[in-house]
Amino acid sequence: DGGITQSPKYLFRKEGQNVTLSCEQNLNHDAMYWYRQDPGQGLRLIYYSQIVNDFQKGDIAEGYSVSREKKESFPLTVTSAQKNPTAFYLCASSIIPSTRGQPQHFGDGTRLSIL
Amino acid sequence: QKEVEQDPGPLSVPEGAIVSLNCTYSNSAFQYFMWYRQYSRKGPELLMYTYSSGNKEDGRFTAQVDKSSKYISLFIRDSQPSDSATYLCAIGAVGYSTLTFGKGTMLLVSP
Repeated sequence: DGGITQSPKYLFRKEGQNVTLSCEQNLNHDAMYWYRQDPGQGLRLIYYSQIVNDFQKGDIAEGYSVSREKKESFPLTVTSAQKNPTAFYLCASSIIPSTRGQPQHFGDGTRLSIL
Repeated sequence: QKEVEQDPGPLSVPEGAIVSLNCTYSNSAFQYFMWYRQYSRKGPELLMYTYSSGNKEDGRFTAQVDKSSKYISLFIRDSQPSDSATYLCAIGAVGYSTLTFGKGTMLLVSP
């Protein structure tokens, strides 16, 4: 079945540590996205990528980094510079919007907590 | 003014009720509209996608778009306890990769 796989489901970070969240899709989508979801805040865009080896900052990119070396994969690194990383992280993908725009499809998220 | 406004709820209804969920938006460039359902500790699941004004029906779900009023709605008929979830609206403009999401409305359907 086609879909988006995020791993791990739960992740714990120690102070000063970088952690990487995995996102893989087999939908053959060109665009991929990372969101952070906090209670009462809705979805906030961290980074997105429309093509391999290219990505753009979203609304809250500080303290995060990404790479897009393969079409299927878009890992997110939460660096030690992100002082409040505890949140639910969601990865999404879509066909590049054309004249009629395309919806995004989501994985089941990674919950990151501070130790 | 926020680009997309959505009442956070919670909205509590008895089983079998008709539910109305709504979003308003401010940018007239928005042209396509989505509704997502999100269960606790899960990712959002696409329920409805529409590009034009008017109604779109899928089973118990009807999406309605009124571009003149910048107002979108999702109606759920014969609501079930399994419909208990958070419902997110998402809105986008043609040619743009990013969507603007509402903060979500929590729906609770009691048996």
